Amino acid sequence: DAKTTQPPSMDCAEGRAANLPCNHSTISGNEYVYWYRQIHSQGPQYIIHGLKNNETNEMASLIITEDRKSSTLILPHATLRDTAVYYCILSRNSNSGYALNFGKGTSLLVTP
Amino acid sequence: GAVVSQHPSRVICKSGTSVKIECRSLDFQATTMFWYRQFPKQSLMLMATSNEGSKATYEQGVEKDKFLINHASLTLSTLTVTSAHPEDSSFYICSAHDSYGYTFGSGTRLTVV
Repeated sequence: DAKTTQPPSMDCAEGRAANLPCNHSTISGNEYVYWYRQIHSQGPQYIIHGLKNNETNEMASLIITEDRKSSTLILPHATLRDTAVYYCILSRNSNSGYALNFGKGTSLLVTP
Repeated sequence: GAVVSQHPSRVICKSGTSVKIECRSLDFQATTMFWYRQFPKQSLMLMATSNEGSKATYEQGVEKDKFLINHASLTLSTLTVTSAHPEDSSFYICSAHDSYGYTFGSGTRLTVV
């Protein structure tokens, strides 16, 4: 699976939008962009995923550039509970059963 | 949504003993499950992939005789750490895959003393 690059850490004020970038310049045509987060000492939690169109759900929005070489996860109104490590992961079609390979992620700190 | 239950959440065992960790998919059938290990301040590292009814596939460097994986049904996979040593102390996490994607358990904190 192709590699992703994320900033190691970011800060965000509570109530503001948190925009987490991810570069994946070698993404393949059949690879999805997945976002998970891990709150300390818990299992990863699914946030959102997409192939090429922008996606939105109750947790976040995912913006994928037209060339698919980068994406941005947007938490529209960050709360203290959003403090976590956020992972951007590439994986082939979810029906394939391939494991998700985690990089180092971005440690997001939401401050009061 | 899909739920994966992992048990126990934390366990302390003596060096040389074995520990079994269970991973159950509660509301779906998981043909494939994954086991990860996470050391402090590090990311999750894939240990093995298990498919129901067949032998697990281990990642390079993971001792298959030490980390026994059994995936006997579509809802249960177990990881047994045999002859545990202090260096096996870690956070172990399972993940189940179905047609909708990947769901993770809450993790097991293993401490070997």
